[in-house]
Amino acid sequence: EADIYQTPRYLVIGTGKKITLECSQTMGHDKMYWYQQDPGMELHLIHYSYGVNSTEKGDLSSESTVSRIRTEHFPLTLESARPSHTSQYLCASRRDSYNSPLHFGNGTRLTVT
Amino acid sequence: KNQVEQSPQSLIILEGKNCTLQCNYTVSPFSNLRWYKQDTGRGPVSLTIMTFSENTKSNGRYTATLDADTKQSSLHITASQLSDSASYICVVSESSQAGTALIFGKGTTLSVSS
Repeated sequence: EADIYQTPRYLVIGTGKKITLECSQTMGHDKMYWYQQDPGMELHLIHYSYGVNSTEKGDLSSESTVSRIRTEHFPLTLESARPSHTSQYLCASRRDSYNSPLHFGNGTRLTVT
Repeated sequence: KNQVEQSPQSLIILEGKNCTLQCNYTVSPFSNLRWYKQDTGRGPVSLTIMTFSENTKSNGRYTATLDADTKQSSLHITASQLSDSASYICVVSESSQAGTALIFGKGTTLSVSS
């Protein structure tokens, strides 16, 4: 089992609220990622980081923001949640070596009412 | 456009039976192809990786194949068990001077019944 943790597992929140999804890994990986996953659809990359103080937007446009102040921590923040943000959010990390696999957390299922 | 297509979308089989999942891709330049297993309510876990020079690789009851000429891969599950019920995701890595990008398929949902 990979040592990458996401909290909360489930979150139901009202429109307009600010939320932060937590992601931490204990493997010392430099590369970390946030994916969005909807039923029957492929994973979409929304943010990634290749190290401390490095963050980039992914392929899927997202109103969320991320930060990488410590190697092990990669939180995702939504300043004002909307129903369109309802989805499953998966955090992942990997070693900075050729062909290394992604290690995923168990996800946060977000519902915005 | 780089794409990964998986078939079938879903599959139901009886415990003990074999099954084969397909993955076709149009990713170029190709770097590698990886199969992940995602149990319900969990994150995906890597099963196996196929590089350009590899044709077949086994991991217990899972056997992956790769035909780089036709750009097809398959995942064969032998003597299925109830615990094989999951979504299987094919991910192709594209590597260029700009960096590495991962192209995800939509997955095949496998249900094994007793």
